[in-house]
Amino acid sequence: TQLLKQSPQFLSIQEGENLTVYCNSSSVFSSLQWYRQEPGEGPVLLVTVVTGGEVKKLKRLTFQFGDARKDSSLHITAAQPGDTGLYLCAGAKGSEKLVFGKGTKLTVNP
Amino acid sequence: NAGVTQTPKFRILKIGQSMTLQCTQDMNHNYMYWYRQDPGMGLKLIYYSVGAGITDKGEVPNGYNVSRSTTEDFPLRLELAAPSQTSVYFCASSYIPRERYGYTFGSGTRLTVV
Repeated sequence: TQLLKQSPQFLSIQEGENLTVYCNSSSVFSSLQWYRQEPGEGPVLLVTVVTGGEVKKLKRLTFQFGDARKDSSLHITAAQPGDTGLYLCAGAKGSEKLVFGKGTKLTVNP
Repeated sequence: NAGVTQTPKFRILKIGQSMTLQCTQDMNHNYMYWYRQDPGMGLKLIYYSVGAGITDKGEVPNGYNVSRSTTEDFPLRLELAAPSQTSVYFCASSYIPRERYGYTFGSGTRLTVV
């Protein structure tokens, strides 16, 4: 059973386009995190959202936590080749271990 | 800060050989984890530790062993390597509360078993 489902699995776009990737679950999480993983490296934490409805911005990246704390989205404005990577969401339920989704592999073509 | 350091970066093993993947962190994190990552399958937890002397199994522990004698080090031992253990292995550590501060990952060990 896949606790956190990410979509799309693959996304290939041109530089300058906007995109949104999704992280969905039937479970409620106390917090949700987004990581970016570049080829040959480990995942790096981008943001943590903890409040239902919360929106956080990191330059051209906008993260939203669903009101019911079951889902999240990541929106990238004017994507650049440097945004290329695997985007992973991870959910936490209290003090339990993080649960990771399978990721969205984003390719931004120049 | 070095963060989480994993060695080696790459390794090729023959079936039946054993090896230890090293992981050390210099952030004084209590929690440490070992994951494996296969293409399209996300991160699967192998073992984790909540502090020195305490370890527990994750989702896919078979064929692996760990120890945690110090806060800094969390080595992963592969006994009798099998082709199914070909993967990229990541070590991670976290602060408390881990769900708020996230995990710090190493850069991985790419293991091929032939």
